[in-house]
Amino acid sequence: AAGVIQSPRHLIKEKRETATLKCYPIPRHDTVYWYQQGPGQDPQFLISFYEKMQSDKGSIPDRFSAQQFSDYHSELNMSSLELGDSALYFCASSFSRGDEQFFGPGTRLTVL
Amino acid sequence: GENVEQHPSTLSVQEGDSAVIKCTYSDSASNYFPWYKQELGKRPQLIIDIRSNVGEKKDQRIAVTLNKTAKHFSLHITETQPEDSAVYFCAASGQAGTALIFGKGTTLSVSS
Repeated sequence: AAGVIQSPRHLIKEKRETATLKCYPIPRHDTVYWYQQGPGQDPQFLISFYEKMQSDKGSIPDRFSAQQFSDYHSELNMSSLELGDSALYFCASSFSRGDEQFFGPGTRLTVL
Repeated sequence: GENVEQHPSTLSVQEGDSAVIKCTYSDSASNYFPWYKQELGKRPQLIIDIRSNVGEKKDQRIAVTLNKTAKHFSLHITETQPEDSAVYFCAASGQAGTALIFGKGTTLSVSS
């Protein structure tokens, strides 16, 4: 079965640079969630979208923005990167804001 | 907002033993409680979930129980196997399509 796709899988950036992470949800899923997971930590919710509109907002820094496009894929834009932004970034998707969230493989961001 | 506490943080068992992980939540409006298994560097994988209108759910060696009055839910794994070794996260969410709030995780080690 098709799963959530994230790209890139690994990303290395310098401080103060920008990064864009992409997420392609499971086909027919219209709801996308972004989570940040630091080393040894639990996933922290950043933001979610349903039908291209922001649905819920968590602890997303002002330096980050995100959007969902007409084909339901989503992009997380990160600017003025800091060392503390180094983490695994997971995208999850669900169908019609359903309960079950299925996670993608994640993007490992390293900020040097 | 919702707060989820998870215990124990580490759990070591012998192969064939049972393992129990417990979580409590704070928001009485939460009505969906999934459990995720995460291997090192991999995505969280949904292993079982329960909704607030159900007290218990079982899937082969895995079961989850929910006590809404006490705001408490537990994961039970029977006949543990070495491949069950991983970090297990409980989570809670309220309205469909909203954020999952995770516990801090339990590192389960099953030795043969």
